[in-house]
Amino acid sequence: RKEVEQDPGPFNVPEGATVAFNCTYSNSASQSFFWYRQDCRKEPKLLMSVYSSGNEDGRFTAQLNRASQYISLLIRDSKLSDSATYLCVVHLSGGGKLIFGQGTELSVKP
Amino acid sequence: GAGVSQSPSNKVTEKGKDVELRCDPISGHTALYWYRQSLGQGLEFLIYFQGNSAPDKSGLPSDRFSAERTGGSVSTLTIQRTQQEDSAVYLCASSSEGSKPVLSRETQYFGPGTRLLVL
Repeated sequence: RKEVEQDPGPFNVPEGATVAFNCTYSNSASQSFFWYRQDCRKEPKLLMSVYSSGNEDGRFTAQLNRASQYISLLIRDSKLSDSATYLCVVHLSGGGKLIFGQGTELSVKP
Repeated sequence: GAGVSQSPSNKVTEKGKDVELRCDPISGHTALYWYRQSLGQGLEFLIYFQGNSAPDKSGLPSDRFSAERTGGSVSTLTIQRTQQEDSAVYLCASSSEGSKPVLSRETQYFGPGTRLLVL
């Protein structure tokens, strides 16, 4: 079983749609959680950190459920520029490395 | 610029040759990471430096891979006797402090990567 698993893609949605990505992680020692965005042939860039209380940044909302080891990302009113691959990322306690999910590709169409 | 830089941006080499990939982290960042991303695959951790020491080398796929960091800054990833399966994008990231549980310090910033093609 992969340490971080994400919804398979691609997600093809029209502009203005709301789209949700889910992610589960297997290691209970996971300490910190992030969503990164990766555009085609570019490096990953931090989209947002994920807090236990849930957090929102504009059109983006992230949720964490430690009991279920589940992370989500909600994108409201999707834009063409949101088209990218979204990476669910976990940081384990006591170490430096990030564990990445395989990513979910989002394509927003006019 | 103030971001992570990597060189070369692209490298084509012949099977069996050695290659060196360079990473310049963000100034002041003590933690440095190497990852690789093969075509259609997720990011795979290779090695992590805290200062000049490497507390986690668990991701290096074979003894052909090695990395060093000097002066707490620049890092070099060396692949000896390259094989075709080494073809990938090699990404470097840095953060201000690798092991403390403070999200802002844990945020890793990635360089643009080196695309390696082994023929």
